[in-house]
Amino acid sequence: EADIYQTPRYLVIGTGKKITLECSQTMGHDKMYWYQQDPGMELHLIHYSYGVNSTEKGDLSSESTVSRIRTEHFPLTLESARPSHTSQYLCASSGGTNRAKNIQYFGAGTRLSVL
Amino acid sequence: QQQVKQSPQSLIVQKGGISIINCAYENTAFDYFPWYQQFPGKGPALLIAIRPDVSEKKEGRFTISFNKSAKQFSLHIMDSQPGDSATYFCAAGSGAGSYQLTFGKGTKLSVIP
Repeated sequence: EADIYQTPRYLVIGTGKKITLECSQTMGHDKMYWYQQDPGMELHLIHYSYGVNSTEKGDLSSESTVSRIRTEHFPLTLESARPSHTSQYLCASSGGTNRAKNIQYFGAGTRLSVL
Repeated sequence: QQQVKQSPQSLIVQKGGISIINCAYENTAFDYFPWYQQFPGKGPALLIAIRPDVSEKKEGRFTISFNKSAKQFSLHIMDSQPGDSATYFCAAGSGAGSYQLTFGKGTKLSVIP
């Protein structure tokens, strides 16, 4: 069982609001990721981090931003939510040694609806 | 440009049957090929993974077959059960410090009694 937590699980919010999606892991992993996924569809990498103070944009362009001030915490922020941001956001982490270092562990996701 | 192509998009199998999902990749730098299983309302969870130094890996009812020359790999689920009904994602990644994964579009598997 992976120890990676996302809050909130569901969020319904109006257009223009600022939101922060939380992601925390207790495994001491150095690498963390944010994916965007429409229900049952493919996963698109939108941000990743290889350690504290390291953040990079992923393959899918996103208006969101991320920060990595602590190893265990990787929040995602939308400054002004729009209906086009409606989706599921999945956080993942990886680390460890040897062959385990490739394994990405996922949180349960945050389903965001912007009205 | 999609680097990992997965098929079929959906699959219906009778209980006890064999489920087969196929993936093809383009980037020859990929050296890690995991399969993830996702149930509704949950995040994906690693099911089984293979590296290109072997052609097959089996864990219980789940087997990955890997064809390096064809740049293809597949998941076989033997004796499929209704509890196997989920969305399955293949992925590919490369080491050398990157560890990012490129995912296929997913296959929704339904195992009917």
